[in-house]
Amino acid sequence: DIQMTQSPSTLSASVGDRVTITCRASQSISTWLAWYQQKPGKAPKLLIYKASTLESEVPSRFGGGGSGTEFTLTISSLQPDDFATYFCQHYSSFPYTFGQGTKLEIK
Amino acid sequence: QVQLVQSGTEVKKPGASVRVSCKASGYIFTNYAIHWVRQAPGQRLEWMGWINAGNGDTKYSQKFQDRVTLSRDTSANMAYMDLRSLRSEDTTVYYCARERVGTLGHWGQGTLVTVSS
Repeated sequence: DIQMTQSPSTLSASVGDRVTITCRASQSISTWLAWYQQKPGKAPKLLIYKASTLESEVPSRFGGGGSGTEFTLTISSLQPDDFATYFCQHYSSFPYTFGQGTKLEIK
Repeated sequence: QVQLVQSGTEVKKPGASVRVSCKASGYIFTNYAIHWVRQAPGQRLEWMGWINAGNGDTKYSQKFQDRVTLSRDTSANMAYMDLRSLRSEDTTVYYCARERVGTLGHWGQGTLVTVSS
């Protein structure tokens, strides 16, 4: 199975900050990577697919990049609604696997 | 709009089985696959398997291969996840999710399954 590793596990930031979360795959997954946002008690929400394509209605302050084994999720200017947990997930082959999550906290 | 509505909370004893259902609406059910994912509290999401809602083909994570069965009822636009031989580690929230752009684009609200004696 392909292992997905995110960093950091926790990130403290303020409204207006620019933040970046990193996701590494244990082998190349091309750009078959998605990012999700999850709030407590809710299902994950798809933000980005194909590593860099923004899902419809997702604000443009979210951006994704990378290919192969290293990927990033950047939020250009944090808004209060963005404080949540973020997961990466590969879908290059079965079984799909997820990163352990990055909890974005208010500083 | 696409909606996936899952069945309610379940409490089961160790060794029992559970069925979680996922009612789809707002799209042609047989055109999209359904995935099942689970998430223990504070843990990463764990992919369990996939069913092609059109032809019924399935793929399972090796971890669950021996204990899980995915099925669907196309007449009712329903997908099902059956998990057998439950143990305490299976206490978690189970999600169904519909494929979109190749990945998990639409999610159900989650079903809590508690395994306790």
